[in-house]
Amino acid sequence: AQSVSQHNHHVILSEAASLELGCNYSYGGTVNLFWYVQYPGQHLQLLLKYFSGDPLVKGIKGFEAEFIKSKFSFNLRKPSVQWSDTAEYFCAPTSGTYKYIFGTGTRLKVLA
Amino acid sequence: DAMVIQNPRYQVTQFGKPVTLSCSQTLNHNVMYWYQQKSSQAPKLLFHYYDKDFNNEADTPDNFQSRRPNTSFCFLDIRSPGLGDAAMYLCATSRDLAEAFFGQGTRLTVV
Repeated sequence: AQSVSQHNHHVILSEAASLELGCNYSYGGTVNLFWYVQYPGQHLQLLLKYFSGDPLVKGIKGFEAEFIKSKFSFNLRKPSVQWSDTAEYFCAPTSGTYKYIFGTGTRLKVLA
Repeated sequence: DAMVIQNPRYQVTQFGKPVTLSCSQTLNHNVMYWYQQKSSQAPKLLFHYYDKDFNNEADTPDNFQSRRPNTSFCFLDIRSPGLGDAAMYLCATSRDLAEAFFGQGTRLTVV
């Protein structure tokens, strides 16, 4: 069965600290990989995506993610977080079944 | 401009009284999804349509049904809502396996 694992459930950082959120998925074959963000009171928005090519992808607001195929991982990073990055972050790989299975999410709180 | 529109934003229903949530899209996407999201949890996929083909998740209760009369609209019917069905219901669309676009959600309260 397909599964997604996000290792960090709650993360608290000070502004300017670096961020890395882990994501591992269980299914093989071709996958498209996504990170979504949900700001307080808002709907889910795409942060970045990977389909193919350069495994290091850049998204909005300075976020990036690296796809490591051998590790089935797609970790999210940001060198210097801001207070406005306080949100919940979801990893969501897809496979050929045309559905997005979300990880459990990581709630990030950035202290000003 | 909103591309995935869910109505209503807030719905209060009585225990056991059927309720329908609606979703419309202006993106002409072929795939539409319904997710249930409870507080502090990840969105849980209930079902999705690939064009007209309906795909139910194995653990979606029979109490939940869906209709997609045309490309633009999709409905979620809860036949007999229980207290445990109170949640945010999210509609999303995608063009095949490209990124999904989400609506604002409908918050369902069961009293």
